[in-house]
Amino acid sequence: NAGVMQNPRHLVRRRGQEARLRCSPMKGHSHVYWYRQLPEEGLKFMVYLQKENIIDESGMPKERFSAEFPKEGPSILRIQQVVRGDSAAYFCASDGGSYNEQFFGPGTRLTVL
Amino acid sequence: KNEVEQSPQNLTAQEGEFITINCSYSVGISALHWLQQHPGGGIVSLFMLSSGKKKHGRLIATINIQEKHSSLHITASHPRDSAVYICAVRSRGMLIFGTGTRLQVFP
Repeated sequence: NAGVMQNPRHLVRRRGQEARLRCSPMKGHSHVYWYRQLPEEGLKFMVYLQKENIIDESGMPKERFSAEFPKEGPSILRIQQVVRGDSAAYFCASDGGSYNEQFFGPGTRLTVL
Repeated sequence: KNEVEQSPQNLTAQEGEFITINCSYSVGISALHWLQQHPGGGIVSLFMLSSGKKKHGRLIATINIQEKHSSLHITASHPRDSAVYICAVRSRGMLIFGTGTRLQVFP
């Protein structure tokens, strides 16, 4: 049973470009969470999704950031017009429901030049 | 004040020492997690607790729901235990994280 998969593991973008981060949850998991870890800071919640639904996006920046978890395929975190302050590690986690253990992916390290 | 507080922020130990990391929280939770993160690395879930105590190898985690407090203990510490240990509470579905405790164990 493969764990949570994220790709790419490392992503370099220039200011103004778009970044797309992908997350495939563990088999059987229908809940996906995105977290961000800024350099030298702790992890912060961004968004909680179920298939085709955004459950809680209270941690998402109001502009340039969006997330989806379609019926088929991975969850996507999309950052438009990236800025240097978006440089961070983005972690995805999944579980089978709110009372189950979350399992983390290896993260995508985004660097904005 | 952060909703999840950890102490200490940094911890150094000699190999073989008994280590305790503390976590206090101020929100209602459904569970508490202890996570481990190596430098530049991914996040590994060590424990998920909603009551009492759990043990896995040299690691022990306890939680006191009434006092809103949890501890992570490492017995007979080893240099390979060097990592950042993060307490996270499950509240409204999402995880709220402490700032982490950076542990270094020297031979």
